[in-house]
Amino acid sequence: ETGVTQTPRHLVMGMTNKKSLKCEQHLGHNAMYWYKQSAKKPLELMFVYSLEERVENNSVPSRFSPECPNSSHLFLHLHTLQPEDSALYLCASSHGQDGYEQYFGPGTRLTVT
Amino acid sequence: GQNIDQPTEMTATEGAIVQINCTYQTSGFNGLFWYQQHAGEAPTFLSYNVLDGLEEKGRFSSFLSRSKGYSYLLLKELQMKDSASYLCAVRDSNYQLIWGAGTKLIIKP
Repeated sequence: ETGVTQTPRHLVMGMTNKKSLKCEQHLGHNAMYWYKQSAKKPLELMFVYSLEERVENNSVPSRFSPECPNSSHLFLHLHTLQPEDSALYLCASSHGQDGYEQYFGPGTRLTVT
Repeated sequence: GQNIDQPTEMTATEGAIVQINCTYQTSGFNGLFWYQQHAGEAPTFLSYNVLDGLEEKGRFSSFLSRSKGYSYLLLKELQMKDSASYLCAVRDSNYQLIWGAGTKLIIKP
């Protein structure tokens, strides 16, 4: 148990669907992250939130839309995705943006058909 | 550009020792992390090095040479449960984490 939970664990969606991924951390951290993990590729940082404000957006397509309503919750809203967006989406949190280490959730395995 | 290199896959025998190497070229350096990720699970933190030398933590040790842009993770007395991917990540001058693609370690009995 790492203190970071993600739902759903698995998601299959069509290219015209709209869905949301949810992340919740119970560690009292104030920075949260979304990563994309594709097979045999490095983790790709998508978004960073610090104190509920977005501080990083690494040229992610607009079909991915993050939301951070408070320091414990993070969402990733998905719409009109492409098959190449199929991947494992990981949420992480840390003490501050420059935190010593990041704690990861188990991820959502997304398949776009 | 920034780059982290580590072997894609390694195989070792239960009870043996294995060394997983990581080399990096980054814009500045503010520490190097090793994470373990079992298949279908979250990455979990293993070690952190910011100064040169060896950090030992039980069966796992991590070494850093900043002048060579090089680190390794040493796993001793290998157990079947050590079968996992091992991710190397470097924090650059902007405190961004740059990740390697991971090394899949297969342990055979």
